[in-house]
Amino acid sequence: QVQLQQWGAGLLKPSATLSLTCGVSGESLSGYSWTWVRQPPGRGLQWIGEINHDGRTNYSPSLESRVTILLDTSQDRFSLRLTSVTAADTAVYYCARGINSRIAARPGGGYYSFYYMDVWDKGTPVIVSS
Amino acid sequence: ETVMTQSPATLSVSPGDSATLSCRASESVDRRLGWYQQRPGQAPRLLIYGASTRATGIPVRFSGSGSGTEFTLTISSLQSEDAAVYFCHQYNNWPQTFGQGTKVDIK
Repeated sequence: QVQLQQWGAGLLKPSATLSLTCGVSGESLSGYSWTWVRQPPGRGLQWIGEINHDGRTNYSPSLESRVTILLDTSQDRFSLRLTSVTAADTAVYYCARGINSRIAARPGGGYYSFYYMDVWDKGTPVIVSS
Repeated sequence: ETVMTQSPATLSVSPGDSATLSCRASESVDRRLGWYQQRPGQAPRLLIYGASTRATGIPVRFSGSGSGTEFTLTISSLQSEDAAVYFCHQYNNWPQTFGQGTKVDIK
């Protein structure tokens, strides 16, 4: 049974870089999309981005300039980096597994993945405060 | 991006009754629509994918329907453990988007 467990710093100062890692156990990374979603306090869910088993990434347009998602198949984990954080980045961050439903060509090359998320970790609260 | 609008914002239901939650998309999402349950202090849990397919281990009292732009999640014979926020999620159009959630309270 696949399980996800993430770790990383939960308290950051403005302008710092958020760094979280999600470890995957009980399942291979192959064939899935691995994604990050966040939830600001008292609000809904916001998709951040994903990395696919072949290393291709897609990011939310609103965060694309600050986000990097990396995959480490040798250690069965993937990571999130978000630079220049502000108070608006305060949220609970979740990592999740995406089950692909379809893919579509992306303008400029690569592809978009479309998936639902069937396994989630318990989330990490991240607070950005001076 | 595709805007997902859920209604009502809050629903108060007695144990044993049924609850009907709606989700409307600003453009067609075909049947690539999921529903998630989030209990207080917990991570989201997948209930339904493909608009109507229950995820593994989900009780049959949870059912989904719809296609295109209009979707419904029905919870029959409500139990106390069903108190949660329910989110819809479209994964047909890029970028994927979530509704703002419907909170279900148990009277």
